[in-house]
Amino acid sequence: GENVEQHPSTLSVQEGDSAVIKCTYSDSASNYFPWYKQELGKRPQLIIDIRSNVGEKKDQRIAVTLNKTAKHFSLHITETQPEDSAVYFCASSGDSNYQLIWGAGTKLIIKP
Amino acid sequence: ETGVTQTPRHLVMGMTNKKSLKCEQHLGHNAMYWYKQSAKKPLELMFVYNFKEQTENNSVPSRFSPECPNSSHLFLHLHTLQPEDSALYLCASSHGGRKGQPQHFGDGTRLSIL
Repeated sequence: GENVEQHPSTLSVQEGDSAVIKCTYSDSASNYFPWYKQELGKRPQLIIDIRSNVGEKKDQRIAVTLNKTAKHFSLHITETQPEDSAVYFCASSGDSNYQLIWGAGTKLIIKP
Repeated sequence: ETGVTQTPRHLVMGMTNKKSLKCEQHLGHNAMYWYKQSAKKPLELMFVYNFKEQTENNSVPSRFSPECPNSSHLFLHLHTLQPEDSALYLCASSHGGRKGQPQHFGDGTRLSIL
């Protein structure tokens, strides 16, 4: 079946450094790739998304890149800050159904 | 202020109790979802409703029974739960009829089974 693999499961970076989280999807028909941030005790919130007709999208300190050939997409956070500490989830979906296929999540820890 | 409201926020129940979780969305969406989130596990999709019709049931035990009376409301009826059902239950909504849409989540119900 369709699946999304997400790595790493935990990522610890020094404040101010960059963080990169990577996801690989299996369904070549996938065309929508959102990223969600879930802070401790809170709901997942959409932070950025990208569609398959675009290779890269930026929003201030966060960016997402998509490589359709390799079926990879990545989240990049620059100049990390303590408030970036959270669990980040990637997901994908295609035209076959309304579901989002979720990655297992990455716990990002920002060290002061 | 979230457009998806879940009640109650916390629920403690015995294995023989019957309770219901409620979700309401004010975003004009037509698709609604129930997810289970256990500690150190990914989000598990349980049920999907699109325009009040159930379109997905991911092998969820019958002790969980969903109900979607209209596009704005979603319930999860609970009966004879097991300790392993203790988790955070999240409701989400998205635009129905359009695939590849972001989902908007509620704050969840933290369920503890004694």
